[in-house]
Amino acid sequence: EDQVTQSPEALRLQEGESSSLNCSYTVSGLRGLFWYRQDPGKGPEFLFTLYSAGEEKEKERLKATLTKKESFLHITAPKPEDSATYLCAVQAGSLGYGNKLVFGAGTILRVKS
Amino acid sequence: KAGVTQTPRYLIKTRGQQVTLSCSPISGHRSVSWYQQTPGQGLQFLFEYFSETQRNKGNFPGRFSGRQFSNSRSEMNVSTLELGDSALYLCASSLGRGKGQASYEQYFGPGTRLTVT
Repeated sequence: EDQVTQSPEALRLQEGESSSLNCSYTVSGLRGLFWYRQDPGKGPEFLFTLYSAGEEKEKERLKATLTKKESFLHITAPKPEDSATYLCAVQAGSLGYGNKLVFGAGTILRVKS
Repeated sequence: KAGVTQTPRYLIKTRGQQVTLSCSPISGHRSVSWYQQTPGQGLQFLFEYFSETQRNKGNFPGRFSGRQFSNSRSEMNVSTLELGDSALYLCASSLGRGKGQASYEQYFGPGTRLTVT
């Protein structure tokens, strides 16, 4: 069974204090690993998809990396507006198999000014 | 390009009733997936529809069903509501086909908050 574990459950940072969120996964036939940001009461907002080990993607203060067992979301010099829940999800199976995403429980990030 | 829209945004129902939720995908997207989000279980996959056919199904009871129309809009129905069905129901759309892996990237709507009393 595909499994995704995110750590830590919650993270408090001071503005400008860089850190990383972890997403470890167990899946047969990884097709893609997704990162989403979710604000309270809203739907998840797509951030990145990573497809193969060694791949990295960046967007503003965020950088996502992928290995064969885990992914990291690095947050550089965070600002209060980066406060949100960050969700990791995996998609498995061959192309054409479908779109099922298996999500981790998320990391709640709070950035204080 | 307009994003994924879901209606209604909020709903209050009584135990035993049934409910229908609607989702309009991003223009050109043919796959619609539904997820349930609760504080205890997180985000869980319900089912996926592509070209009016259910392509994938999660581990939910038969009270949860869905359908997709020829314009790719989708509806989800929950019959005989239970208190535990209170949740945020999210719809996500993607292209859903093609050789490009990006074809399967999913974009979520704002969700429908269902409260069962």
